[in-house]
Amino acid sequence: QSALTQPASVSGSPGQSITISCTGTSSDVGTYNLVSWYQQHPGKAPKLMIYDGSKRPSGVSNRFSGSKSDNTASLTISGLQAEDEADYYCCSYVGSFSFLYVFGTGTKVTVL
Amino acid sequence: QVQLVQSGTEVKKPGASVKVSCKASGYIFSDYYMNWVRQAPGQGLEWMGRINPNSGDTHYAQKFQGRVTMTRDTSINTGYMDLSRLTSDDTGVYYCARSRLATPPDYYFYMDVWGKGTTVTVSS
Repeated sequence: QSALTQPASVSGSPGQSITISCTGTSSDVGTYNLVSWYQQHPGKAPKLMIYDGSKRPSGVSNRFSGSKSDNTASLTISGLQAEDEADYYCCSYVGSFSFLYVFGTGTKVTVL
Repeated sequence: QVQLVQSGTEVKKPGASVKVSCKASGYIFSDYYMNWVRQAPGQGLEWMGRINPNSGDTHYAQKFQGRVTMTRDTSINTGYMDLSRLTSDDTGVYYCARSRLATPPDYYFYMDVWGKGTTVTVSS
């Protein structure tokens, strides 16, 4: 099972919107709308930002939104803020015998 | 509050084994799987497997089959991840993370609470 494909880096100015893509296959992202997104600041544990493709956990800003089209999931951050600078990982449920979850390659978000 | 507290930094020699613990508090231990995710230095996240705290049933990623053993002690709400035959490629940070057990018709496919991570260094 290969990792889901994300752009290595995405940048934007404060207040702008950015979108991070997460491309999988018909065996993972394409089959299940069960993509979650995690934010990770340097030296910290990942934090759940989006689950089930587009749902936000309690306490996560509504500036974060998720969507999916075919085999690609996306995370959009609107009104970009300095604190959003971090690494972001998508994750899809796979449900196979050999693998339940596969993560994306990760995207470094830089706030200019 | 809900938290997962992991054991401390480990330094091991190649060929040895390491056992990392993860103590849960603030929630019903038996309601959530305990997953283990690792991150090599400067690299991404990799799911290793999970354990059902009720039954003890495990599901390991194929890559780790035969080398990883996940157990739990429900009397102290703690999960364990044991990785054997260590090589330098096993150097990294190991996280525990919970995901909720299914309560049909509701199913849960995400990890909502994470431990702070345990650094494991494998070096001769």
